[in-house]
Order: sequence, then structure tokens, then C-alpha cells
Amino acid sequence: DTTVKQNPRYKLARVGKPVNLICSQTMNHDTMYWYQKKPNQAPKLLLFYYDKILNREADTFEKFQSSRPNNSFCSLYIGSAGLEYSAMYLCASSRGSDYTFGSGTRLLVI
Amino acid sequence: AQKVTQTQTSISVMEKTTVTMDCVYETQDSSYFLFWYKQTASGEIVFLIRQDSYKKENATVGHYSLNFQKPKSSIGLIITATQIEDSAVYFCAMREGGSSSFSKLVFGQGTSLSVVP
Repeated sequence: DTTVKQNPRYKLARVGKPVNLICSQTMNHDTMYWYQKKPNQAPKLLLFYYDKILNREADTFEKFQSSRPNNSFCSLYIGSAGLEYSAMYLCASSRGSDYTFGSGTRLLVI
Repeated sequence: AQKVTQTQTSISVMEKTTVTMDCVYETQDSSYFLFWYKQTASGEIVFLIRQDSYKKENATVGHYSLNFQKPKSSIGLIITATQIEDSAVYFCAMREGGSSSFSKLVFGQGTSLSVVP
């Protein structure tokens, strides 16, 4: 299986509530990423795991958390969703220069 | 720091013609990888084609090809015999470093392509 799976495909959340998105891959990729994609904007890297080491981008450092309990699984956690979090969230994995993207989770915060 | 720039916001072309989308990049690394992705109507990011910086030959996959001009830090995407279903947003992306090292993938702003009958 050479795909990255994301669940759910669509997520509705209320302002102030937590959101947890999940991603999995079975390609034994060492790195997993989370990107945020808003309309008419480039995908924005939020954070990534290289093996078990989490790296968060400076401008999103406090807004997003993540966990990677094993090589195949990675989650993205928003502690308190705001309207500005409405976006497509894309998970990707890589080994070296080979990247694979998931189908994304479309999050709507109301 | 690495940077990728796509200056064309949107392009409209007639079906069955050839279109070129521009992309320029900035990097301090001597080794890097360049990619083109397509975002489908459902929002999925689909890999199209890549160019490794050390390769002189332009990559070609199906009706996609690249115009790699290393001295100009430019990697254009060429789509020949365009079809209606090629209508999408196209992203250029770059990864620095050798294949064995880690580096993140940085995207350009995207170019919206509309193919009309």
C-alpha cells in the first residue's frame, strides 16, 4: 500500500472545542508532515516528525500539537479551534526525496 | 532560506494547446529537488513530475515535461495537448538537501489553469 490515509475526510467543529485529525501510512517513511491549505494560498507547513522528533514551524508553534506513537501513525491536535482554523489539512510522508500526500481532511469551524 | 515563487496567478488556454507555467526558486544548497503538484477539485494534492538538480535532462512524464534552467533558478512546467480535465491549480515545490538527508518541502503560491473548449 503506497498511500497516506487521512481520517476523517470532513470534520465539523465548534469554536473553542478541540479537534484531532489522524493520518497513517504503511510505507515505512521516516518523516510525516502536516500542512494547512486555505483557498488561493500555498500549502503551509505546520509541523513534521522526523522519526520520533517533532519539529514545529515558528509561527504555528503554539497553535498545533502532534503525536506519533509509532512509525505509521501521526495525529494533529488543535486544543481550541478558532474560525481561522477552517482549512484543508494535508498529511504527507516521505523517505528521502519521495513524498506522498494524503487526500486531506477538510475542517470547518463554526 | 528556501523560497519558491509562481508569479502567474491564473492562466486560460484552449483545449489541445500547449501551456507553460513558470516557477523560480531560491536556495543556497547545491543539491535540491523540484516538484510539480496538481490540486484536484476535491482538494487532493497529486504528484505530477520532479526534477533532481544534478540531472541535466529535462524530466518528462506523459504529457507533462519540465524546462529546467538551473542558471536562472527556473523550473517551468509544460503541458502539451491540454485537456479539459487538466483544469486545476498547479503548485511548484522544492526540497533542499541530498536524498539521504532531511529537509522540508516548500510550495509556491500556485497557478490556476483553466482549459476551455
